[in-house]
Amino acid sequence: AQSVTQLDSQVPVFEEAPVELRCNYSSSVSVYLFWYVQYPNQGLQLLLKYLSGSTLVKGINGFEAEFNKSQTSFHLRKPSVHISDTAEYFCAVTNVNDYKLSFGAGTTVTVRA
Amino acid sequence: DAGITQSPRHKVTETGTPVTLRCHQTENHRYMYWYRQDPGHGLRLIHYSYGVKDTDKGEVSDGYSVSRSKTEDFLLTLESATSSQTSVYFCAISESGRETEAFFGQGTRLTVV
Repeated sequence: AQSVTQLDSQVPVFEEAPVELRCNYSSSVSVYLFWYVQYPNQGLQLLLKYLSGSTLVKGINGFEAEFNKSQTSFHLRKPSVHISDTAEYFCAVTNVNDYKLSFGAGTTVTVRA
Repeated sequence: DAGITQSPRHKVTETGTPVTLRCHQTENHRYMYWYRQDPGHGLRLIHYSYGVKDTDKGEVSDGYSVSRSKTEDFLLTLESATSSQTSVYFCAISESGRETEAFFGQGTRLTVV
């Protein structure tokens, strides 16, 4: 079985400030990790994913995430946020043995001017 | 945008009635998922399918059943709706079920009164 924990339920941040969203996972086998974003009243869309290789992954809209196997973490960062980054962000995991895509509880990011 | 259509988009139903939600895809992806989204819980997997007539339970499958008689359609049935099943339901599709991106529908808002 696998699980995902997002450590912050809400993150308020000022425009042009950096933001970090924390995600920890647990799994007994190798994993694939994802970050998705959900804008108000919409479905989810992929920001980035980690499959293997370089632990620093770059995604769309200036986001990046770092995979840390020893700490079982996959934190998402953006150096300078915009008002348009206001959304809910979900960390998700699959593993090499099955097809279940499991999500964390989500982090709501509110960007203020 | 990936071709995923959920129907209906909104539904109000009475306690004890059966309800069926439909997910239709035009991408020919093998894997299909049903999630429910509730505040504070993120997305929780209800059922998923890894092929025609091949389905498995997720973490919150009690009170729900699914069917997939052809690649493009994945039906979610609430056998006897309860107020606790009031939620937003999302369908997702994935080509590989593991390392590839999942594409989400726009969601169905279900209210059980």
